[in-house]
Amino acid sequence: AQSVAQPEDQVNVAEGNPLTVKCTYSVSGNPYLFWYVQYPNRGLQFLLKYITGDNLVKGSYGFEAEFNKSQTSFHLKKPSALVSDSALYFCAVRDWAGGFKTIFGAGTRLFVKA
Amino acid sequence: GAGVSQSPSNKVTEKGKDVELRCDPISGHTALYWYRQSLGQGLEFLIYFQGNSAPDKSGLPSDRFSAERTGGSVSTLTIQRTQQEDSAVYLCASNPGLAGGNNEQFFGPGTRLTVL
Repeated sequence: AQSVAQPEDQVNVAEGNPLTVKCTYSVSGNPYLFWYVQYPNRGLQFLLKYITGDNLVKGSYGFEAEFNKSQTSFHLKKPSALVSDSALYFCAVRDWAGGFKTIFGAGTRLFVKA
Repeated sequence: GAGVSQSPSNKVTEKGKDVELRCDPISGHTALYWYRQSLGQGLEFLIYFQGNSAPDKSGLPSDRFSAERTGGSVSTLTIQRTQQEDSAVYLCASNPGLAGGNNEQFFGPGTRLTVL
């Protein structure tokens, strides 16, 4: 069965500093990996995805994520955090062998302090 | 174009009552998902529909929960004999499905259910 772990409930970072939000996964086949963001009082929005190809994928709002097969990780990164990046971030995995069922992590709340 | 819509946006009910939550996916999307997000918690998978295939019900927490999808489009999530622990935001998402298996999900705004 597929699963996703986001080991940090909360990440605090100062504005202008780099940020990392961690995600590890477990699937039986090849993973499709996603990051979503949920801003306060707004719906979930897609940020970026890894399907195949380059391990470093770039997405919306300057975010990027690196797929590491050996470590089964897909950490979200941004070189310079903004206060407006403060939100709840979810990692998700879809296992092709499991059809299109997508499992989400518990979420990591990011606080960016000015 | 129109996104995923859900109704009602808010629902307050009394313990023991039945509720129905509705989801209208994006036109042409064959995959539809229901999730539950409790206060401060992550997304809990409930059920997944793909076209005319049998739904994946593996996430439904009890037999009080059921869902159907009529005509491959609109879906209704029904909770019978609601309990206070059912209070949460219920999110619906759609995806092109087999036509775009690597595509992201598009989420609706959710229905906030409060069971008194």
